[in-house]
Amino acid sequence: ETGVTQTPRHLVMGMTNKKSLKCEQHLGHNAMYWYKQSAKKPLELMFVYSLEERVENNSVPSRFSPECPNSSHLFLHLHTLQPEDSALYLCASSQVWNRGGNTIYFGEGSWLTVV
Amino acid sequence: DAKTTQPTSMDCAEGRAANLPCNHSTISGNEYVYWYRQIHSQGPQYIIHGLKNNETNEMASLIITEDRKSSTLILPHATLRDTAVYYCIVLNTGNQFYFGTGTSLTVIP
Repeated sequence: ETGVTQTPRHLVMGMTNKKSLKCEQHLGHNAMYWYKQSAKKPLELMFVYSLEERVENNSVPSRFSPECPNSSHLFLHLHTLQPEDSALYLCASSQVWNRGGNTIYFGEGSWLTVV
Repeated sequence: DAKTTQPTSMDCAEGRAANLPCNHSTISGNEYVYWYRQIHSQGPQYIIHGLKNNETNEMASLIITEDRKSSTLILPHATLRDTAVYYCIVLNTGNQFYFGTGTSLTVIP
């Protein structure tokens, strides 16, 4: 138990569906992240929210739409995805830069399959 | 951003110490070295981090060379459950974690 909870753990969706991934952190952190991990590839940083403001968007297609309503919750809204978007989507949280470094904590991930 | 270089894979006998090296020759003075591991199909797990001094916790030890250009993660008594991909990351000034390909450690019975 890392204090970061992701739901659902597994999701199968068609290319015309609209679905959302949810992340909740119970660590009192003020930064949240979405990462994508495709099969046999390194983790790719998708989005970063710091103090509820989006501070990074690493050239992610618009069919992925993040939302951060407060510092404890993060969503990834999905629509008109492609089969190549099938991957493990990981949420993480941390405290914005502290003296002594900041540690990022991950959830268990949501396995997404697009059919 | 400081880049890290790790061996692609390593084996270690169960019960022995696993020593995982990492090169980060372009690290700057205020950048931390972090280690994470990822067991298959799970989210990455934090192990340890350090700036200049060696660090130890209940999971592992981190040895950083004096010039900070390389470090070694030590798992003192490897078990089968330590089989995972281990990532060495240098935290950049932009405060974002970028993961490379890591070292795939296999602990052999």
